[in-house]
Amino acid sequence: AQSVSQHNHHVILSEAASLELGCNYSYGGTVNLFWYVQYPGQHLQLLLKYFSGDPLVKGIKGFEAEFIKSKFSFNLRKPSVQWSDTAEYFCAVNANYGGSQGNLIFGKGTKLSVKP
Amino acid sequence: DADVTQTPRNRITKTGKRIMLECSQTKGHDRMYWYRQDPGLGLRLIYYSFDVKDINKGEISDGYSVSRQAQAKFSLSLESAIPNQTALYFCATSDSGRGLGQPQHFGDGTRLSIL
Repeated sequence: AQSVSQHNHHVILSEAASLELGCNYSYGGTVNLFWYVQYPGQHLQLLLKYFSGDPLVKGIKGFEAEFIKSKFSFNLRKPSVQWSDTAEYFCAVNANYGGSQGNLIFGKGTKLSVKP
Repeated sequence: DADVTQTPRNRITKTGKRIMLECSQTKGHDRMYWYRQDPGLGLRLIYYSFDVKDINKGEISDGYSVSRQAQAKFSLSLESAIPNQTALYFCATSDSGRGLGQPQHFGDGTRLSIL
């Protein structure tokens, strides 16, 4: 079965620090990869997605992620975080196989707390 | 995402009660999903529907049922609620017409507490 692992449960940073959140997935075939963000009390919103092409993907609010196929990874980065980035971040993978095409498998999430 | 509307937003009820959570969308998407979110567990898929006549169980369907009344409506029922179904429930939609793996769009969630 597919799985998505997010290595950090809770990350605490000061404003202006750099951020990298790890994400690894277990499926060896063609995948589509996503990062979602959930601000406190809100629903999930799409930050960025990777389908094909350039493995470095830029998303909203200065976030980017790099797909490294050999490492089955899709880590999220931001050079300088702000207090408003405090949220929970979810990595998700969609694998194109069988009848489950279109379904997302989510990681357990990483809470980011940014201290002002 | 205002295009995906969930009702109610909050619900407190007692063990054994039947509960229905409703989801409607104006995005014109054919695919709809129900997830539950629990602290530390992320989102887990309960049921999904690729069109009105296609309903599929997800990872954790036991204790739940769904109905796809129309392309725009997908309801989730708990026939006899139990306390460990206390969670935040999200409905989501996606569009298969633009190819596989399209992102999902989420509603604002229903916070359900079962006493």
